[in-house]
Formats: sequence, C-alpha cells, structure tokens
Amino acid sequence: EVQLLESGGGLIQPGGSLRLSCEVSGFTFSSYAMSWVRQAPGKGLEWVSSIIGSGTSTYYADSVKGRFTISRDNSRNTLSLHMSSLRAEDTAVYYCAKDPSDYPFDGFDVWGQGTMVTVSS
Amino acid sequence: QSVLTQPPSVSAAPGQKVTISCSGSSSNIGNNYVAWYQQFPGTAPKLLIYDNNKRPSGIPDRFSGSKSGTSASLGITGLQTGDEADYYCGTWHSSLSAPYVFGSGTRVTVL
Repeated sequence: EVQLLESGGGLIQPGGSLRLSCEVSGFTFSSYAMSWVRQAPGKGLEWVSSIIGSGTSTYYADSVKGRFTISRDNSRNTLSLHMSSLRAEDTAVYYCAKDPSDYPFDGFDVWGQGTMVTVSS
Repeated sequence: QSVLTQPPSVSAAPGQKVTISCSGSSSNIGNNYVAWYQQFPGTAPKLLIYDNNKRPSGIPDRFSGSKSGTSASLGITGLQTGDEADYYCGTWHSSLSAPYVFGSGTRVTVL
C-alpha cells in the first residue's frame, strides 16, 4: 500500500524557519516526481513545489521562490521542504503528494494526510 | 484568484445528477490533461479523475470527466449523501510561476 506521512508542522513566528518531512512507502520512491501542495484555512489548494525523481530539477511557485527549498533523500524514501522567512500568509496545511510519473505537473495520484503550519507571533 | 474557474457550489437531491464546470484557457486546459480531486472536510484530497476522463482503481463509474476546448466538467450521477464534499479541478499551466494550477473548488451539497 502506498503511504505518505508528513511531519514537522507547528507554530512558528514570522521570519522563522521550519522543515517539513514526508516519509513514503509502498512504491519505488526514486522513480516518481514528488510535490508539496498547501491549503490555507478555509481556502483552496495551492501548488507549492515539485522535484523530479533524481532530485536534479526543482520547481517553485512564485509565492515561495527564494524562501522554500524542496529536496529528497532517495536512500531514505524521504521528501523534505525547508521553509524560511516565513510569513503569516504561509499558514496552511501542507500536503505531500506523489506524481503519477517522473514528470511533474501531471497531477497527484496519492496524498499524505497533511501537516499544519501556523505562522504567528 | 484562481486561473481555473469553478462554481462555488452545486446541489441536487439524492439520486440526481450534478455537473461541475472548470473553465480555463489555451494556456492550461486547452492543451493539457485535466484531473479532478475530491476533498472531505478535514481530510486530504483524493484523485477522482485523471487525463480528462479516466478513473483510478476503486473510483465508481458514477463519477465521470470530460473536456471540450478550454473547459472541463465533472459529472456525478446517482448522487449520494456521501458525495458531499469539495471538488477541485487541476491541470498543467504553461507558466513557470505556477506550472500546476487548481480550480477554486466547488462544494457539492445533497439536498
């Protein structure tokens, strides 16, 4: 069974940093692109970032570019999102999502349960 | 404001059919596959339809997808109370600032 398990969310002050992790199981992790999608309270879904299977290409939404870094450790089946210079508008549930192939932007066929990030003083 | 436009809500009685529209442009829907996601309150989204009209394993055939030009639609027949949820369309968008975009979401209510 394919499973994605996020961790690392919490309450953080504006300007602070946080690292989210997503442990995966049930599929060959290195063969698939992976992504982060977020959802602010009461709002819709927003794509944040994607990374291909080898980790050599990464993509970011303009709203997080320069502040967030996506990475993966294929030996540990783990996807990460390092977030810095956090703002109140980054407050959201962050979902780890699996792409259906090694090509990103083809949709997301499996989602984690999400981890909440709250940016507030 | 979402690049893809969906109605905020649709409703129908049990057993009836609802259709949710997703309007875009040639930069997204017009030249790419569309996916649909179902999300119940407080839970993660779930893939419902991919490549415009294909259902993942386990998704009942009451759910169907279609695409024409720069618009896509999700149909739900034989509506059940368990279908009450938010539904989002999504597709690739030819912009490096946001290569993947979601619709604004539609709440389905069973009367």
